[in-house]
Formats: sequence, structure tokens, C-alpha cells
Amino acid sequence: GAVVSQHPSRVICKSGTSVKIECRSLDFQATTMFWYRQFPKKSLMLMATSNEGSKATYEQGVEKDKFLINHASLTLSTLTVTSAHPEDSSFYICSARGLAGDEQFFGPGTRLTVL
Amino acid sequence: DAKTTQPPSMDCAEGRAANLPCNHSTISGNEYVYWYRQIHSQGPQYIIHGLKNNETNEMASLIITEDRKSSTLILPHATLRDTAVYYCIVLQGRDDKIIFGKGTRLHILP
Repeated sequence: GAVVSQHPSRVICKSGTSVKIECRSLDFQATTMFWYRQFPKKSLMLMATSNEGSKATYEQGVEKDKFLINHASLTLSTLTVTSAHPEDSSFYICSARGLAGDEQFFGPGTRLTVL
Repeated sequence: DAKTTQPPSMDCAEGRAANLPCNHSTISGNEYVYWYRQIHSQGPQYIIHGLKNNETNEMASLIITEDRKSSTLILPHATLRDTAVYYCIVLQGRDDKIIFGKGTRLHILP
């Protein structure tokens, strides 16, 4: 199957700083990318959908100014957690859907810890 | 809200077939049944999907009832590496977004 990577795999930052997470589709072009967050022992929660070249669509309750999403190319989307706080500590996972095919392919996740 | 119902957990002996049920009684005619799994601290992994007919691939088999209101994912020879949370998801196709329910936590017993 297609490969999606995330960078970094884990990050620790101080409260008040911003953190950028990258999601790349390595061997296919992704017209749509999705961002999820997952708290311990909970299911994945969809945060937003991003289409290349357009603004992201956020799910209800997700602050767009807090979680900035950029999808500037067909192989890269970024999620920036601005002014991070300890409650933003979570596992962030992206997925990508290609130009053809029905499956979404998921990245390995990024574990964010805010001190 | 997830459109599926799954048992919260199941046990299966190593080497035996693991049969994971899923109810999707409100599924509509153009919706597919997808299965993903998530091994601890990893991203979800696609397993299989189907519309009406039973499907099989190198990972698993998917059995969909004739009325399409339920399905069963079958892992034919479960190994310890199959320990994961398994998610059954109903999608209208490639333009639909995946909303995860709580899934079934499958424990493979040695």
C-alpha cells in the first residue's frame, strides 16, 4: 500500500510555544489529507480535512486558530499547534487519500507532549 | 456519530480464526463497509473493504450478510501481532471522511 510519513514522531515542547507537524505522502499524490487526534485509550477524533490549495475544513469544536493546517502541495500537509498547552498533549495522526482509489492511508502518528 | 456497533473487546487463541462482528443496520445501498486496525501507538492500518460480496485478501476475509446489516471480519490464523483495536466503518466511498467509533479491542492469547 501507499506510504504516509509524519515528522517528527514525537516532540516535547514548553507551554506557550508552537509546534509544527508534517504529513507527507511518499509515493502518491494526495488531494485530500485528514488530521486526527487521539487521547490515551480513546478512539481517533477527526479534527479537520484539508484539500490541496484550499482552506481546511474543521470539525465542530476544533479551533482553527489554534490548529493551523496548510496543504500547499499534493504531497505535504502541515499541522501547527499554536501556543501549545498541556491539554494539547496527544497523539496526532494524519491520513491521505490519493487521486485514485478508495482507501485512506494513515501516517504513523506524532506524539506531542507539552510541559 | 459512528454508524456501526462493535463489541468492546474479544479474546482469541493464537492460531485460531478471529471473527470480529459489526452491526451496521442503517447502512444505505451505496455505502461500503471498511475495516481498519490500530496497533498500539501506531497509525491505523487498512485491512479490507466491501460493498455486497464477500471479499478476501492476504490479511483477512470480509463476510457481509445478504441484507447488509452486519458483517464479520475474519483473521484466519490469528497471531500475537494481530493484537490491536479493530474498527468497522461505513463510508459512501472515496469522498467520505472516516469517523472512528470505539472499535473492538482484540486480545490474542498465547
